[in-house]
Amino acid sequence: EAGVTQFPSHSVIEKGQTVTLRCDPISGHDNLYWYRRVMGKEIKFLLHFVKESKQDESGMPNNRFLAERTGGTYSTLKVQPAELEDSGVYFCASSQDWRNSPLHFGNGTRLTVT
Amino acid sequence: GQQVMQIPQYQHVQEGEDFTTYCNSSTTLSNIQWYKQRPGGHPVFLIQLVKSGEVKKQKRLTFQFGEAKKNSSLHITATQTTDVGTYFCAGPLNDYKLSFGAGTTVTVRA
Repeated sequence: EAGVTQFPSHSVIEKGQTVTLRCDPISGHDNLYWYRRVMGKEIKFLLHFVKESKQDESGMPNNRFLAERTGGTYSTLKVQPAELEDSGVYFCASSQDWRNSPLHFGNGTRLTVT
Repeated sequence: GQQVMQIPQYQHVQEGEDFTTYCNSSTTLSNIQWYKQRPGGHPVFLIQLVKSGEVKKQKRLTFQFGEAKKNSSLHITATQTTDVGTYFCAGPLNDYKLSFGAGTTVTVRA
């Protein structure tokens, strides 16, 4: 079974630019999550999709972040315009069951905003 | 809201020694999960504890869930270089959202 894949693995952009991150969950996993980790901090929840619907986006920092999951397959997370504080590792995770199912994480995208 | 706190943040261990990392929640948890992230890797699920006082073992790793279901611990015996990484505990904020601690980063001196 293929795991969760994320692209790109690294991205370095300047403040004010736009970046789009992509996540392909494990096939058949309806639940897709975005998390972010800033160096030395906790892995912080950003949002949760069930199929193509946003179930919870309470963790999204502000309206510069836009997540989509068209067709309920892969997801994108766009940051526009990027700010310095957006730097960190963005993890995507998926799970099959609804309640408290363990998460399968991708390798993450390391975003650096300069 | 609920927060999950982990201590210590860093653990430097001599190879062969034992150590314990702790996880504490401000609220009662229905379950707790532990993940391990190797350097340069991604978090990988290790185990889930559900019952009050539950103890589970995976080879040299022993996981425990407190009686009040507000804390958990991970004890590693005879630490090896393969144990290097960051260990995260996570508790559910609701049925689908996990709250992660900041992790305990383990380094091993050979």
